[in-house]
Amino acid sequence: EPEVTQTPSHQVTQMGQEVILRCVPISNHLYFYWYRQILGQKVEFLVSFYNNEISEKSEIFDDQFSVERPDGSNFTLKIRSTKLEDSAMYFCASSPGQGGTGELFFGEGSRLTVL
Amino acid sequence: QQQVKQSPQSLIVQKGGISIINCAYENTAFDYFPWYQQFPGKGPALLIAIRPDVSEKKEGRFTISFNKSAKQFSLHIMDSQPGDSATYFCAASNNAGNMLTFGGGTRLMVKP
Repeated sequence: EPEVTQTPSHQVTQMGQEVILRCVPISNHLYFYWYRQILGQKVEFLVSFYNNEISEKSEIFDDQFSVERPDGSNFTLKIRSTKLEDSAMYFCASSPGQGGTGELFFGEGSRLTVL
Repeated sequence: QQQVKQSPQSLIVQKGGISIINCAYENTAFDYFPWYQQFPGKGPALLIAIRPDVSEKKEGRFTISFNKSAKQFSLHIMDSQPGDSATYFCAASNNAGNMLTFGGGTRLMVKP
């Protein structure tokens, strides 16, 4: 069964460092998303991406964050200068169609720890 | 107005019992209401979803009940099994699911 894969599974970084989280969405999917989940809290939307551009973003997704689809398979989330409060599990998701017309498939997440 | 409130935060049910998790929303523009199941160390996985044009949807042991006038929806798990032990999130979206707003989650434990 096709799945969304994410790397790394866990990254530890120092505050102020740049971090890139990588995702390989399911191959025929068109919509890509990043969500995050701070430990013990709810899942929060960060950004959606379609046709090589951001289609929606939340208030959390400020100038520190950027997304990119550098080639036909990878979808990346970059955090330019990490802060302690960026520590969370980051989930990538993809869907064949827009949301309700196509189920979101989530990866297993990348745990980011900022020291 | 974008919040989705979920209760209870945790739930313990005996094997074979019924698990009920409730969610309430404010934004009347929401038109897609999925439930996600998350096991430890895994990403959320879609369990079942409903649109506001129906009041109930059933898939196997899982049923969503939807009350549009009260702006509430709930998940019922019939004949709960230990393998159902997981965290359940309700969610809502106002543009066919492109940007999901999640509830706070319910940690369900089904005792054998």
